[in-house]
Order: sequence, then structure tokens, then C-alpha cells
Amino acid sequence: SAVISQKPSRDICQRGTSLTIQCQVDSQVTMMFWYRQQPGQSLTLIATANQGSEATYESGFVIDKFPISRPNLTFSTLTVSNMSPEDSSIYLCSVESRSYGYTFGSGTRLTVV
Amino acid sequence: AQTVTQSQPEMSVQEAETVTLSCTYDTSESDYYLFWYKQPPSRQMILVIRQEAYKQQNATENRFSVNFQKAAKSFSLKISDSQLGDAAMYFCAYRVGYGNKLVFGAGTILRVKS
Repeated sequence: SAVISQKPSRDICQRGTSLTIQCQVDSQVTMMFWYRQQPGQSLTLIATANQGSEATYESGFVIDKFPISRPNLTFSTLTVSNMSPEDSSIYLCSVESRSYGYTFGSGTRLTVV
Repeated sequence: AQTVTQSQPEMSVQEAETVTLSCTYDTSESDYYLFWYKQPPSRQMILVIRQEAYKQQNATENRFSVNFQKAAKSFSLKISDSQLGDAAMYFCAYRVGYGNKLVFGAGTILRVKS
């Protein structure tokens, strides 16, 4: 399976600021997925990122709030913009391989104060 | 809409015993995949087992097995010989085809008693 390095692992941020989360994959993948996991809850897809095209956002998530970059087939970033305490969550990236299924990064625990 | 339901918010099992976690899903698709993921306190998502809908045989991975009932849209996970390291949040998930998103259930917290 693919190995994903996700950074940072955690951060505490002031409201109104932005945080960029990075995911580096050890192999080329077509699609990367970004999920949010609010405290005590399940995972919700934020967007799907294809290399060379605009990310596709799920209902309730917008590009201005969660801009995504996908400059190549091994890397992606998710920015959480103009943060508020409601953005405090775990953010995870994920990729899929035909043989293994989905692999997840180790997650970024974000706390907004 | 595709939904995944885990009706057990929390389960407990004695070490070395067997426990079954339930999952049902709703879909009109005929070709899809089902997964069980484990999330320990480290928050790392770990694939436990997966099942292709076209396969009638239930998937098995060591102490983990599933009971896949396609007509009933049920996909339960059985953990045999439970170990302390099995304690975690378990998520059932579904997706239609390759490259599509995973849809997760709400999760079941599994506690293992020594």
C-alpha cells in the first residue's frame, strides 16, 4: 500500500488565521481525498483533488474556505482559511490503490482558540 | 443517497472472547465495495478488512471476518479471540467504484476488558 506523510500532526491556531496541511505520497496517485473528522464523529469528505484540475468539493464545503492544491501526482495541500473554533477537527488525506484500497495519512489535529 | 448505518455506538468484549459489530448500508448500485476501518487513539485509520460486493464468499483476515448479506444490505464484522490492542473506534465504509469517495458510518467504540 502507499505510504502517506502528513504534516503537521497537530497545531493550535488563533481564530482568523489560516493553516496549510501537506500530504506527500510515496507513489503517484491520480486522486487524493481530504476528510474532516469533528470531535467524536465520523469522517466527512471535504473534497477530491485531481492533479491538473480544480478540486471537487462536497456539499457544505467551499473553495474559499478550504483551498486545495495538487501540483503533482504525489503531493497535495489543504488550507483551512479564516479559522474559527468550529474548524477544530482532525483533517486527514487519503489515496486509493486498486489492490489495497484506501490509505490514510496520520491526520492533523487542529485546535482553534 | 448512499448511507451507512452503525447502530451500536459502543460495544464491550472480554479479552479472548468474540464480538460482532453491525453495519447496514443503503444503495441502489450493484457493484460496490465495503470496508471496515479501525481508528485507535493515535487517530491513524487502519484497514481491517474489505469485501467486494460481487464476491459471495465472506472476507477473512486472521481473527477478523465479515458476514456479508447482500440482499439484506448488511456487513457485520466479527472479531475472534479479542485482544487489548483491538480496542478502538471501528468504522464501516462503502464506495461505489474505483476513484470514488468513501462513505462512512458513525462508528462503534470497542472496549476490550482484561
